[in-house]
Amino acid sequence: EVQLLESGGGLVKPGGSLRLSCAASGFTFKNFVINWVRQAPGKGPEWVSGISSSDASTYYADSVKGRFTISRDDSKNTLFLQMDSLRVEDTAVYYCAKDDGWFKPSHFDHWGQGVLVTVSS
Amino acid sequence: DIQMTQSPSTLSASMGDRVTITCRASQNVVDWVAWYQQRPGKAPKLLIYKASSLQSGVPSRFSGSGSGTDFTLTISSLQPDDFAIYYCQQYITFSPTFGQGTKVEIK
Repeated sequence: EVQLLESGGGLVKPGGSLRLSCAASGFTFKNFVINWVRQAPGKGPEWVSGISSSDASTYYADSVKGRFTISRDDSKNTLFLQMDSLRVEDTAVYYCAKDDGWFKPSHFDHWGQGVLVTVSS
Repeated sequence: DIQMTQSPSTLSASMGDRVTITCRASQNVVDWVAWYQQRPGKAPKLLIYKASSLQSGVPSRFSGSGSGTDFTLTISSLQPDDFAIYYCQQYITFSPTFGQGTKVEIK
């Protein structure tokens, strides 16, 4: 059974940093693109970032480019999201989402339970 | 970014009804469209990918169609578990985008 377990969320002040982790199990982690998708309260999902399986190419939404960094440790089946220069508008539940492909972000066939990030003074 | 516009925003229906949700892309996405269901407090769940392919384990009452810029999700006979929010998503670009959602509520 595919499982994705996020951790690292919490309350942070504007301009601060936070590092999210996603521990994966139940599939061959290194073979798939893995993504972060967020959802602000009462809003639809927003894709944030993805990292490929082949050459660890990284992809970012314009809203986080230059502030967030995605990475993966295939030896530990773990995905990370380093979030710097956080803004109030980054407040959301952040989901780790397994992609159906290996090359670039596409569609997301398994999701974690999500972790809440709150940016507030 | 490609914009995905869903209609209606809210849909009131009864058990057993046939329900159709539409999604329009701001440019041609061929058939690179997925549909998700989200229940309150839960993560989205993949229903349909590549416009019309049913995800494994999803009931056959769900179906998708369309190509180019216009897509539809149909539920053939609404069941209690189907009252939820539905989102379309395009993935032709390196930056996937979602629609704003359609809430299916009980009439």
